[in-house]
Amino acid sequence: GQNIDQPTEMTATEGAIVQINCTYQTSGFNGLFWYQQHAGEAPTFLSYNVLDGLEEKGRFSSFLSRSKGYSYLLLKELQMKDSASYLCAVRGGGQNFVFGPGTRLSVLP
Amino acid sequence: NAGVTQTPKFRVLKTGQSMTLLCAQDMNHEYMYWYRQDPGMGLRLIHYSVGEGTTAKGEVPDGYNVSRLKKQNFLLGLESAAPSQTSVYFCASNRGQPNQPQHFGDGTRLSIL
Repeated sequence: GQNIDQPTEMTATEGAIVQINCTYQTSGFNGLFWYQQHAGEAPTFLSYNVLDGLEEKGRFSSFLSRSKGYSYLLLKELQMKDSASYLCAVRGGGQNFVFGPGTRLSVLP
Repeated sequence: NAGVTQTPKFRVLKTGQSMTLLCAQDMNHEYMYWYRQDPGMGLRLIHYSVGEGTTAKGEVPDGYNVSRLKKQNFLLGLESAAPSQTSVYFCASNRGQPNQPQHFGDGTRLSIL
């Protein structure tokens, strides 16, 4: 079967660093995506990993270990506007995209 | 620069009624998708299309039909709405290459009474 796990909720303080984990078991692997989704809005693309290692984009970084079926999204210098849900999605074979349930992050002042 | 546009944004239906959700994209993307999002379950793929005139089933296709008569439009139909189809529906599109992210519309909030 196909399964993606993420923590349901996380809380962090403004200015801090938070790591959101994602573990996956899918048939086929053609990359892992992270999306941000504010309440009541559409998901927006944050990062893409297909090779093992760390991809850095400003305050956001994403890591992938294909052998462990594991990824994390690292958010630095947290801001109030980072309060949102973060979705992990794996592209399997063809157009098979499998999304995790999402992690709701609350950033407190 | 509209991107992906979904209509309507909100709708309330009675059980047994039918309706069509429209998705339009202006990015010349080949691939289009329909998802539903329910609390605690993440986005689940209903149907998708890899080009004009083609459609394929996703993870949860039962009770839905789709059509892609024009490259820029992807329609999702509910023939006989059921309360279990109450959800938020998202349309997405992308170029299809493995590293290309999906671009999402703002969603349609559908309630079936």
